Amino acid sequence: AQSVSQHNHHVILSEAASLELGCNYSYGGTVNLFWYVQYPGQHLQLLLKYFSGDPLVKGIKGFEAEFIKSKFSFNLRKPSVQWSDTAEYFCAVTRPFTGTASKLTFGTGTRLQVTL
Amino acid sequence: KAGVTQTPRYLIKTRGQQVTLSCSPISGHRSVSWYQQTPGQGLQFLFEYFSETQRNKGNFPGRFSGRQFSNSRSEMNVSTLELGDSALYLCASSTSRTGTGYTDTQYFGPGTRLTVL
Repeated sequence: AQSVSQHNHHVILSEAASLELGCNYSYGGTVNLFWYVQYPGQHLQLLLKYFSGDPLVKGIKGFEAEFIKSKFSFNLRKPSVQWSDTAEYFCAVTRPFTGTASKLTFGTGTRLQVTL
Repeated sequence: KAGVTQTPRYLIKTRGQQVTLSCSPISGHRSVSWYQQTPGQGLQFLFEYFSETQRNKGNFPGRFSGRQFSNSRSEMNVSTLELGDSALYLCASSTSRTGTGYTDTQYFGPGTRLTVL
C-alpha cells in the first residue's frame, strides 16, 4: 500500500545534539511534502513544506528538510536541539493533480524527547 | 488572522449516541478537511469539503458524515457511537482552488477530544 514511513518512533537526545528524523514515502509522481509538529497539549503546527524548487527547505525554529526524489525521502534536520523541541513530529504527503489532492497522508510520528 | 477554531474542545458521550463537531476555518479558506487521531491508528483522513461539496473521502464507515455551509464553516457528525470512535478529531483549513488539481497547505485547529463510554 502506498504510505508514508517514519522509521524512528521515539528519539531521545541531549540538548545541543543534532537531529535527523527520517521520512520516506512510496508514491510515484508529483508530491507535496510537509513536516508538522505537535507540542505537548498543543495543536498540529506546520514546521516546513516542499512543493517545488530548491530541495533543501528551511522552516521555523531552525529546522530544515531535504527532498531527495531518487530516495523518496524528506528527512528533517536541526543542527542543535533545545529542550523546547520536545514534541511529536509528523511527516505528511499530498499528491497534487490527482483525485485525492486534498488528502494529507501522515506517517506514524516520531516522539522526540530532549533532555537537559 | 484568527486560526482554525473547533468546538467543543472536549466531549463525553455514551455508545449509541450521536455527536456533532464544529469547525470554523481561517478567514478566506474555502477548503475544510477532517482527520481522526488515535494512538493506534495515528492521523487518518476523514473527508474534505470545498464550496459546500464533499470533494474527497477517506475510508471510514457511513456513520461519519459532514457538511459545509456557505460561510465555509463545517460540521462533522458521527452517529451510533462506538467505543472505538474515541479520538481527537482535527479540522484543517486551506485556501485550495476549484477542481482537484491544486492543494495548498492545511492549517490545523486544536481538535475536539471525544470520549465514548
